[in-house]
Amino acid sequence: SFELTQPPSVSVSPGQTATITCSGDALANQYAYWYHQKPGRAPVLVIYKDSERPSGIPERFSGSSSGTTVTLTISGVQAEDEADYYCQSADISNTWVFGGGTKLTVL
Amino acid sequence: QVHLVQSGAELKKPGASVKVSCKTSGYTFNDYYIHWVRQAPGHGLVWMGWINPKYGGTVYAPKFQGRVTMTRDTSITTVYMHLSGLRSDDTAVYFCARSYGSNEFDYWGQGTLVTVSS
Repeated sequence: SFELTQPPSVSVSPGQTATITCSGDALANQYAYWYHQKPGRAPVLVIYKDSERPSGIPERFSGSSSGTTVTLTISGVQAEDEADYYCQSADISNTWVFGGGTKLTVL
Repeated sequence: QVHLVQSGAELKKPGASVKVSCKTSGYTFNDYYIHWVRQAPGHGLVWMGWINPKYGGTVYAPKFQGRVTMTRDTSITTVYMHLSGLRSDDTAVYFCARSYGSNEFDYWGQGTLVTVSS
């Protein structure tokens, strides 16, 4: 199996830009997906296939990829964006892995 | 609308087994894989495996191989996750989620808390 590495925490002030990285060798060849999760709730997809945004997700959420690192960017962070964020990817046999998660704190 | 509705919380003793259900509706059951993901208290998401409802084929994460079994009942569009040999560190919320092939998990169940305690 493979691993995905995320920073444990990121803190930003409201209105600033938050960037959360996710690194892993598999990301060089496989898409990444991002979810946010609030306490007591199921995860919610915010980015798919590295940079696509599902309907209903605000435009301030964006994703990018470079080599073995993918990045989730939240522009103009709002208090409601405070949550845990997880990256995810799969290998060619459809075996999936999540990153360890990043707690986003809005100061 | 798409819905994945899971069975209720469970309290089990060490060594026992648990079977959690995930009732799906609002889409063509055979067209989407169902995955199981668990989250221990205060910890991150861990993928457990998937089932292809059309053929019943499964893939399990190595960590759970030998202890987990995923099945489905196409007549009631429901998927089941059976975990045996429960230990205290199996205490977690278990989620089902769907994906179209090797794509994103776009809909999730509400989660089922399984507590393992003597």
